[in-house]
Amino acid sequence: DSGVTQTPKHLITATGQRVTLRCSPRSGDLSVYWYQQSLDQGLQFLIQYYNGEERAKGNILERFSAQQFPDLHSELNLSSLELGDSALYFCASSVEAGGYTEAFFGQGTRLTVV
Amino acid sequence: SQQGEEDPQALSIQEGENATMNCSYKTSINNLQWYRQNSGRGLVHLILIRSNEREKHSGRLRVTLDTSKKSSSLLITASRAADTASYFCATGDDKIIFGKGTRLHILP
Repeated sequence: DSGVTQTPKHLITATGQRVTLRCSPRSGDLSVYWYQQSLDQGLQFLIQYYNGEERAKGNILERFSAQQFPDLHSELNLSSLELGDSALYFCASSVEAGGYTEAFFGQGTRLTVV
Repeated sequence: SQQGEEDPQALSIQEGENATMNCSYKTSINNLQWYRQNSGRGLVHLILIRSNEREKHSGRLRVTLDTSKKSSSLLITASRAADTASYFCATGDDKIIFGKGTRLHILP
């Protein structure tokens, strides 16, 4: 158990809908990362937050947004969903920002858009 | 952005043999990390090597880093069935960027 909790584990929704994925980081970790993993694209970095502030942005679509709350949990909002958004979405947390310390991954949310 | 590329994409070896995976990256780095992912599950951190280190060991894992060649290798000695997984290298300072991974399959 990494200590990172992601909910829900599975999500099936229709095209055009909006969903929210939730991540609770490990106790004491200030940094949260979001990744999208699909079969043909590998693990794509979406966005990183550190202590409530956006720290780095990757290949995140405009239809996607995220935030980190004062209690350090984070939510990833996906809207106007398309079939191609079907993927595993991972959250990870670390004590510091960036690659200076190891990141701990949650078990992911498997999103299926039908 | 910095990104590692693992080689080979897939590797099958007999149990007990050593497995070597390589990672090449494009720009200068301060750290490089290796992670393991069992099918459909979250990634697990294996080892972090800093740019001023050339080699690091952790149990049956040995990681080398050659900054002049912008490459790293992960060696798993005496492989076991439980080592079957995908292995990723990751680089980055403000963000951790992963390569596409090497799929390792240990044959019984």
